[in-house]
Amino acid sequence: EVRLVQSGTEIKQPGDSLKISCKASGYTFDTYWIAWARQMPGKGLEWMGVIYPGDSDTRYSPSLQGQVTISADKSISTAYLQWNSLQASDSGIYYCARLLVQGIIGDSWGQGTLVTVSP
Amino acid sequence: EIVMTQYPATLSVSPGERATLSCRASQSIGNSLVWYQQRPGQAPRLLIYGASTRVTGIPARFSGSGSGTDFTLTISSLQSEDYAVYYCQQYKNWPIGTFGQGTKVDIK
Repeated sequence: EVRLVQSGTEIKQPGDSLKISCKASGYTFDTYWIAWARQMPGKGLEWMGVIYPGDSDTRYSPSLQGQVTISADKSISTAYLQWNSLQASDSGIYYCARLLVQGIIGDSWGQGTLVTVSP
Repeated sequence: EIVMTQYPATLSVSPGERATLSCRASQSIGNSLVWYQQRPGQAPRLLIYGASTRVTGIPARFSGSGSGTDFTLTISSLQSEDYAVYYCQQYKNWPIGTFGQGTKVDIK
């Protein structure tokens, strides 16, 4: 069974750094792209970027380039999403998802990580 | 950027009735469209990809159709567990994908 288990709720202040994780199991981690998506409070979904753990090839949504860093450690089957300086507007739920080979299609999703950024 | 528009925003349907959800792309995307279901407090769940291919394990009451710019998700007979928000998403240009704003299916 494919499983993606994300790290827990984070409460941060503006300017803080943060790294959240997504641990995969049940499949060969380095042969599927992983994506991160965000869902702002009461809003819809937005893909942020993707990574291929096999060679760490990473692509970002043009609107988010430079604002976050996506990485992966294939030795522990874990993907990461990182911020260097959080803003209040980063508050939301962040999901990781395994992608189908056909494109940016999330066939298995993590449970989500709630990030709250508040003074 | 390809903009996805879903309508209606909210659809009120009685249990056992048919629900028809629509999604329109701002330009042709062929059949590069997926549908997700998101229940409250849960992650999205993939239902349909390639506009009409149902994911293994998804009940047959869910069906997708359309190509080009206009797409439909039909739930033939609504069950209690189907009340949720449904999102369409295009994936025409790797690795860019854009979601619609969602249709909430609630109990009439």
